Amino acid sequence: AQKITQTQPGMFVQEKEAVTLDCTYDTSDPSYGLFWYKQPSSGEMIFLIYQGSYDQQNATEGRYSLNFQKARKSANLVISASQLGDSAMYFCAMRGGYGGATNKLIFGTGTLLAVQP
Amino acid sequence: EAQVTQNPRYLITVTGKKLTVTCSQNMNHEYMSWYRQDPGLGLRQIYYSMNVEVTDKGDVPEGYKVSRKEKRNFPLILESPSPNQTSLYFCASSIGGGIAKNIQYFGAGTRLSVL
Repeated sequence: AQKITQTQPGMFVQEKEAVTLDCTYDTSDPSYGLFWYKQPSSGEMIFLIYQGSYDQQNATEGRYSLNFQKARKSANLVISASQLGDSAMYFCAMRGGYGGATNKLIFGTGTLLAVQP
Repeated sequence: EAQVTQNPRYLITVTGKKLTVTCSQNMNHEYMSWYRQDPGLGLRQIYYSMNVEVTDKGDVPEGYKVSRKEKRNFPLILESPSPNQTSLYFCASSIGGGIAKNIQYFGAGTRLSVL
């Protein structure tokens, strides 16, 4: 069965510093996609970044980058130069590449990030 | 603006009173899905739809119904709500199912309380 694990329930970071949010995953499929979503206090789910299992390079989107270590089954989100507006809950998610596993996202339990001025 | 729209955003109801949460997307997406979010559990899929008139159960379908009569709409129906269905609900859509890289875009969420 596929599973996402986020071991950090909450984190603090100083404004302008970089922060890494951990995500490990478990799947036996060779093809899969990994996603990070941001959920601010207002509640909506905002897509941040995607990494495919066959992608050779780590994904980057502005201040967000994904540290993808396939052998270790980890997909950590790195936020550079944190801003106060980055304070939110962050979810790691996975979607399988075959059959029924493609039909849903499997989510971790989330990491609550607080950026301090 | 491309978006997934859910209504209502907030809903308080009583046990047993049927309700419908609407979801509409303007991106011509084939795939749509409903999730519920509960503290400490992340998001779990309730139902999904690969296209018009094609729906299937997710991980937690008990107590819910869906329909997909039009491509843009995917309402979630609670025939007889119970307090354990108090949750934050999200509708999501993507270009298609069947491919891992298709990004799911989410609505703003519906916070439901069943008394």
